Amino acid sequence: AQSVTQLDSQVPVFEEAPVELRCNYSSSVSVYLFWYVQYPNQGLQLLLKYLSGSTLVKGINGFEAEFNKSQTSFHLRKPSVHISDTAEYFCAVSDKRVSQKLVFGQGTRLTINP
Amino acid sequence: DGGITQSPKYLFRKEGQNVTLSCEQNLNHDAMYWYRQDPGQGLRLIYYSQIVNDFQKGDIAEGYSVSREKKESFPLTVTSAQKNPTAFYLCASSESSYEQYFGPGTRLTVT
Repeated sequence: AQSVTQLDSQVPVFEEAPVELRCNYSSSVSVYLFWYVQYPNQGLQLLLKYLSGSTLVKGINGFEAEFNKSQTSFHLRKPSVHISDTAEYFCAVSDKRVSQKLVFGQGTRLTINP
Repeated sequence: DGGITQSPKYLFRKEGQNVTLSCEQNLNHDAMYWYRQDPGQGLRLIYYSQIVNDFQKGDIAEGYSVSREKKESFPLTVTSAQKNPTAFYLCASSESSYEQYFGPGTRLTVT
């Protein structure tokens, strides 16, 4: 079975500063990896996904993530954040053999201060 | 517009009553899912369905029931047996590809 750990429950940063949201996963099989964003009282929106190929994945809103198989990590980064990036971010993993079931991390609340 | 709709956005019920949450999608996706979200716990899978007239329990199915009579619809019933039903409920769907698409959610409050 897979599990996902998001190492920070809250991350405060100043506007225009860089940010990294950390995600580690545990799995005995090959996985697909995802980052979702949730704005208050809304559903989840896909930011980016890693299925195969290049380990650096670019997503929407200027976010990117790097898959590191040896460290079983999939950290999310943005070089310069904006107030509108304030939201909760979820890392998720699925088993390549049963790709339709997602396991989510606990979420990281990103707060951007002016 | 293609997407997933959930209704209502807010729902209030008295303890001991069953309540049904609606989820409809016009994306022509085969698979649909129900998640429960509580603060600090991420999303937990309640039930999922990969095809019409078939569904499987997720990690926290106790106190919930579902049906999948049509491809577009996957309603969730929160029964009186669910000990702590107050939560934010999210419905999702997916095609044979890998990402899931989420609805806007229903916030259920039981008092």
